[in-house]
Amino acid sequence: GAVVSQHPSWVICKSGTSVKIECRSLDFQATTMFWYRQFPKQSLMLMATSNEGSKATYEQGVEKDKFLINHASLTLSTLTVTSAHPEDSSFYICSARDDGEKLFFGSGTQLSVL
Amino acid sequence: AQSVTQLGSHVSVSEGALVLLRCNYSSSVPPYLFWYVQYPNQGLQLLLKYTSAATLVKGINGFEAEFKKSETSFHLTKPSAHMSDAAEYFCAVRINNNDMRFGAGTRLTVKP
Repeated sequence: GAVVSQHPSWVICKSGTSVKIECRSLDFQATTMFWYRQFPKQSLMLMATSNEGSKATYEQGVEKDKFLINHASLTLSTLTVTSAHPEDSSFYICSARDDGEKLFFGSGTQLSVL
Repeated sequence: AQSVTQLGSHVSVSEGALVLLRCNYSSSVPPYLFWYVQYPNQGLQLLLKYTSAATLVKGINGFEAEFKKSETSFHLTKPSAHMSDAAEYFCAVRINNNDMRFGAGTRLTVKP
């Protein structure tokens, strides 16, 4: 089956620094990728929809200047958490949609901001 | 608004016992419902999906789910649990092409 690689799987950073998370579709092209976050014991919440070659569409309440999304190619989308704060600590997961509109998920990134 | 609720954040069963993971949905239109599984250190994988064809949906690894409109439920079952079934399970409803709503997840533990 199709594979989505997400890197890194976990990262610890200092408050105020920026962290980049990569999401790659390894064996298919994905014009659309999605970014989710999950707080402990809560649902996966959609943060934004990333479209190749255009600006991402952010969900209500998600700060676009804080969570920068770049989808420069059909196989790569990146999420950069800028000026990270402890409250940004969370589990971030991406998914990519293939031509058949099937969703494939990355393995997630656990971000801890000190 | 469409949403799903998973009852029980943690379910523990003995190997060989019935697995029942509960999911109730809220939707004003016929929903597209999904169950995903996440094994440790891996991404979410699709177990099965309901798209209004048959109410009893069979998925991978012996899992199945039954769509019950009268109960607004889409519970996931497996007749006999295996140690390898230990994972986190997510119920989800598709809102549109670009959005899905996930439940909070249920962690399944299988005891020897």
